[in-house]
Amino acid sequence: KAGVTQTPRYLIKTRGQQVTLSCSPISGHRSVSWYQQTPGQGLQFLFEYFSETQRNKGNFPGRFSGRQFSNSRSEMNVSTLELGDSALYLCASREQTNTGELFFGEGSRLTVL
Amino acid sequence: GESVGLHLPTLSVQEGDNSIINCAYSNSASDYFIWYKQESGKGPQFIIDIRSNMDKRQGQRVTVLLNKTVKHLSLQIAATQPGDSAVYFCAENSASNTGKLIFGQGTTLQVKP
Repeated sequence: KAGVTQTPRYLIKTRGQQVTLSCSPISGHRSVSWYQQTPGQGLQFLFEYFSETQRNKGNFPGRFSGRQFSNSRSEMNVSTLELGDSALYLCASREQTNTGELFFGEGSRLTVL
Repeated sequence: GESVGLHLPTLSVQEGDNSIINCAYSNSASDYFIWYKQESGKGPQFIIDIRSNMDKRQGQRVTVLLNKTVKHLSLQIAATQPGDSAVYFCAENSASNTGKLIFGQGTTLQVKP
């Protein structure tokens, strides 16, 4: 099985712009979660989607949003980018079972100038 | 608030020795814990998990110990190899059927040849 695929792997934006990141989960996985990783704050939960519905949300401003499509692929969007949004954005997928095991992608490295 | 922390930011061991990475958690209601390994430029990789009804769980060269009395979690790696060099994160999932994990800050394991 292919792993979790995230695109793009690297991108550079300027303040005020918006960005959309994409995630394709492992085949058969219906839950997708997004995390932000920075040196200062570590790994922080953004949101989780299952069957096109947001199930959980972390403590991030409304500029951070996401969605999930019927094929379980997910996108997250950050509007009005700030310098502090520079981070590695990680997507993880899981089967909808009792296991909490998440399978992570390699991440999208966002740099905001 | 909820937090998961690691005792040491960096651990340096000799190749072939055993490594022990520690983690303290604060949410006594957490019932599921996971260890992840993250190599440079990659996403976190699942190592081993343990539920709160267990004290110990063994995998291949790895053992996780859970002490609920003092809210402490540890990861033991036997016969540490250079390929084990990475950042190790503990994470807690207060509800096993969600994708929301609370991660610790991470411990960097350096293996000296």
